[in-house]
Amino acid sequence: AQSVSQHNHHVILSEAASLELGCNYSYGGTVNLFWYVQYPGQHLQLLLKYFSGDPLVKGIKGFEAEFIKSKFSFNLRKPSVQWSDTAEYFCAVTNTGFQKLVFGTGTRLLVSP
Amino acid sequence: GAVVSQHPSWVICKSGTSVKIECRSLDFQATTMFWYRQFPKQSLMLMATSNEGSKATYEQGVEKDKFLINHASLTLSTLTVTSAHPEDSSFYICSATVAGVADTQYFGPGTRLTVL
Repeated sequence: AQSVSQHNHHVILSEAASLELGCNYSYGGTVNLFWYVQYPGQHLQLLLKYFSGDPLVKGIKGFEAEFIKSKFSFNLRKPSVQWSDTAEYFCAVTNTGFQKLVFGTGTRLLVSP
Repeated sequence: GAVVSQHPSWVICKSGTSVKIECRSLDFQATTMFWYRQFPKQSLMLMATSNEGSKATYEQGVEKDKFLINHASLTLSTLTVTSAHPEDSSFYICSATVAGVADTQYFGPGTRLTVL
């Protein structure tokens, strides 16, 4: 069965600091990978996704993620965070049939001004 | 584009009553909708997958007679929590995929259910 691990449950950063959130998945076949963000009081929004091709994926709001197949990882990065990036971030994976989206436990990011 | 709404946004009910939650795709047709449950400080857990015009597919451990799902049109799916109990209190979230483009799910804002 697929599973997703997010090792950082809570991250606190100051504005302008760099961000990297870890995501590892467990699945033997071809996968599709997603990062979603949930701002306080809002619904889940898609940040970026990877299906195939260039393993470095750029998303909205300056976020990017790199798919490293050998490490089963899809870490999220942002070179300089802003206070408005305070949110909960979820990594998710599905198989090529897009039938079942499996989420990680989420990482709560707090950016202090 | 790809906006999903849920109604109500929160509901409080007495134990033993039934509650219906609606999920609508506002600006697209959704052949497939998904229902998730999110416990406090935990991730989203898929409850069931709902395809328009057919029976929902429930995940292991989810009681289909307790969580009734109806997907009668391309823009509406409903989740009915029957004979609700306090342990059913949770945050219920739906998502939908655009008809013909199944690769990305768009999420609703969620419904907070509290059973007294």
